[in-house]
Amino acid sequence: AQSVAQPEDQVNVAEGNPLTVKCTYSVSGNPYLFWYVQYPNRGLQFLLKYITGDNLVKGSYGFEAEFNKSQTSFHLKKPSALVSDSALYFCAVRDTLNTGNQFYFGTGTSLTVIP
Amino acid sequence: EPEVTQTPSHQVTQMGQEVILRCVPISNHLYFYWYRQILGQKVEFLVSFYNNEISEKSEIFDDQFSVERPDGSNFTLKIRSTKLEDSAMYFCASSEAQTGVYNEQFFGPGTRLTVL
Repeated sequence: AQSVAQPEDQVNVAEGNPLTVKCTYSVSGNPYLFWYVQYPNRGLQFLLKYITGDNLVKGSYGFEAEFNKSQTSFHLKKPSALVSDSALYFCAVRDTLNTGNQFYFGTGTSLTVIP
Repeated sequence: EPEVTQTPSHQVTQMGQEVILRCVPISNHLYFYWYRQILGQKVEFLVSFYNNEISEKSEIFDDQFSVERPDGSNFTLKIRSTKLEDSAMYFCASSEAQTGVYNEQFFGPGTRLTVL
């Protein structure tokens, strides 16, 4: 069965420090992995995706994520956090063995960057 | 930058009433989706729609739900007889091609449905 886990409901980090938002997944086939960010009263905004190729993918706003197949993880990272990065972050996976289009989402992690 | 829009932002209804949630996907997109998120829980897939028909639906999408693309721009989700447990945030999304092959899904801001 397909699933995504975001083990931390809340992450707090000081401005300028590196941040990590964790995500692990479970799929039957190979994963397609995505990160989305949600600001208040806005829709989910795409940040980055892993389909194939380099394990380290770079996305919008200076974010990057590392695909680790052995640990079934896709943690989101940023070298230096900004206060404006404070938002809700969702990890999502699509299973290549699933012929449908649906994403499986995590429960979300609320990131607060402290000035 | 093109965006998916949804109306209304908040809908309050009485149990047993019908509601229609509206979405305007990005204009050149071909695939449309509805997801929902019950407060404090995961974002869950409801249905995908392509070429004027449902291409996939989840167990949640039972007979009380229906989707329609009544014209060239709108995509609607109808709940025929709302239940208390339908209270959730409903997200519409669209994509250019089948997600996972090429493209990510673009999401709207959501409609918060409250059933009393």
